[in-house]
Amino acid sequence: GNSVTQMEGPVTLSEEAFLTINCTYTATGYPSLFWYVQYPGEGLQLLLKATKADDKGSNKGFEATYRKETTSFHLEKGSVQVSDSAVYFCALGPGGYNKLIFGAGTRLAVHP
Amino acid sequence: NAGVTQTPKFQVLKTGQSMTLQCAQDMNHNSMYWYRQDPGMGLRLIYYSASEGTTDKGEVPNGYNVSRLNKREFSLRLESAAPSQTSVYFCASSELTSGVDGELFFGEGSRLTVL
Repeated sequence: GNSVTQMEGPVTLSEEAFLTINCTYTATGYPSLFWYVQYPGEGLQLLLKATKADDKGSNKGFEATYRKETTSFHLEKGSVQVSDSAVYFCALGPGGYNKLIFGAGTRLAVHP
Repeated sequence: NAGVTQTPKFQVLKTGQSMTLQCAQDMNHNSMYWYRQDPGMGLRLIYYSASEGTTDKGEVPNGYNVSRLNKREFSLRLESAAPSQTSVYFCASSELTSGVDGELFFGEGSRLTVL
């Protein structure tokens, strides 16, 4: 079946550090891939997406590349800020009606 | 801009009680969804509605019922609450009626505790 596996958190970084959050998936066919972010006390927001192999999604300094050969969609940011502290969810859309399958989420804490 | 509004935000129930979570969106979206969020498990789809008048089961529908009252509103009902239904519930909406673009808009969540 379809599933998403994310690295366990929490991830704790100092401001301006480099961020990587790993995400791998299992799916049949060619799903679209997404990263969502959840700030404290809020609902999830779409951060970036990629719809086919080798696509790179980017937004707010975050990037992720759809790697079909390694079934991965790792999230990266070159220099994190305190305001990036949140929970990040990797998700896949295997097809139809935007019924997304989410990973367990990775909590990021950035300290000054 | 209201977006997706859920009520109530917090609720405590006793085992066996019933309740309804309300959700309304003002973006004229076609599809609506109910997810539950549990620690270590991410979000799991309970039910969705691809258009007004239609509803379908998601991954974890047991113990829940839904109603798509009109295009704006999608409610989730627990007929006989159980402690296993303690969770944070999120309503979401999407413009799409088919296909995938991943652009779901989420409410702020409703935290339900069943004692």
